[in-house]
Amino acid sequence: KQEVTQIPAALSVPEGENLVLNCSFTDSAIYNLQWFRQDPGKGLTSLLLIQSSQREQTSGRLNASLDKSSGRSTLYIAASQPGDSATYLCAPRHAGTYKYIFGTGTRLKVLA
Amino acid sequence: EAGVVQSPRYKIIEKKQPVAFWCNPISGHNTLYWYLQNLGQGPELLIRYENEEAVDDSQLPKDRFSAERLKGVDSTLKIQPAELGDSAVYLCASSLLDGNEQFFGPGTRLTVL
Repeated sequence: KQEVTQIPAALSVPEGENLVLNCSFTDSAIYNLQWFRQDPGKGLTSLLLIQSSQREQTSGRLNASLDKSSGRSTLYIAASQPGDSATYLCAPRHAGTYKYIFGTGTRLKVLA
Repeated sequence: EAGVVQSPRYKIIEKKQPVAFWCNPISGHNTLYWYLQNLGQGPELLIRYENEEAVDDSQLPKDRFSAERLKGVDSTLKIQPAELGDSAVYLCASSLLDGNEQFFGPGTRLTVL
């Protein structure tokens, strides 16, 4: 059974810092991995999707890397802004299924 | 393009009452998902539809939960009777049949008193 862990559980940083959010998963037989953002009281917004054959994906100030063999993914946020404050969730999709297993998230607060 | 629409956004009921949630996916998305999200946790899949067929309902508590997706478009999730432990956010998501990316609705926050 796939288990997904996200570290740290919570993070508070001053504006402008570069951030690293970590995601680890126990079953490396994944098809892809998706990073989401969730604002309080809202649904999830897809940020980046990395295929199992890829090493990284970039969108603006966000960069996600994937090391499938070691069961790890990292989300880098460059030059953080108060608007980045949210919970960030990672979700690997098991190979051969459409089932995503979500981590419990990292709650990020960027202080102005 | 309109996103995934869910209603109601909030629902407060007493235990043992029935409740229903509605979801309209993004136009053209054949696959629809219902998730349950408890406070401080990630979403957990309840049921997945491909068109009108439920292809994965292994996590749906079938004694009190039911779902339908008539005509393969919008979907309804029902709980009858509701229990205190059902208080959570119920999220709907959709994707293309053979696509990868899931798009989520805003969710319905259920409080059972």
